[in-house]
Amino acid sequence: GQNIDQPTEMTATEGAIVQINCTYQTSGFNGLFWYQQHAGEAPTFLSYNVLDGLEEKGRFSSFLSRSKGYSYLLLKELQMKDSASYLCAVQDSNYQLIWGAGTKLIIKP
Amino acid sequence: IAGITQAPTSQILAAGRRMTLRCTQDMRHNAMYWYRQDLGLGLRLIHYSNTAGTTGKGEVPDGYSVSRANTDDFPLTLASAVPSQTSVYFCASSDSTGSTGELFFGEGSRLTVL
Repeated sequence: GQNIDQPTEMTATEGAIVQINCTYQTSGFNGLFWYQQHAGEAPTFLSYNVLDGLEEKGRFSSFLSRSKGYSYLLLKELQMKDSASYLCAVQDSNYQLIWGAGTKLIIKP
Repeated sequence: IAGITQAPTSQILAAGRRMTLRCTQDMRHNAMYWYRQDLGLGLRLIHYSNTAGTTGKGEVPDGYSVSRANTDDFPLTLASAVPSQTSVYFCASSDSTGSTGELFFGEGSRLTVL
């Protein structure tokens, strides 16, 4: 079956760095997405990786290793507004998105 | 209207009743999707439409139906609601199918079936 695993919850301190991991087992691979979802709101797009390596976008970076079925989202200089759930999703061979359950990130002052 | 609009934002419904969740987008995106989101589970695809006039079943289609009469509208109907359909429903769209299209989501419809 297809499976996306990510930690349920993480806690970090304002100003610090946090890494949210995502491992996947899917029928084929056509890209990996990260979305941010604040409580009670809609998910919003953060990043897309299809090739191995690191994609940097401001305070957020996303890494992909296709051979290991692994990605991480790195958040630097954490701000209180970064408190949210972070959703990992993989596009399978049929271009269908398979979603992880999300990682709830709690930022403490 | 800007982006995707869903209605209603929240609804309490008696079991057995029929309910239609509305979704309208103004971005002229070809592809539209309906997801449900439940605590502890990832987003699950109910139905999708790659272009006006076509629809397809997702991971959890039973008890739901959709139509896509035009590009902008993609309503989701629960013919006879059951308590297990209590969830938050998100409509989404993308401007490409079968590729790397980013999804744009509506604000969600919280449905409670009693």
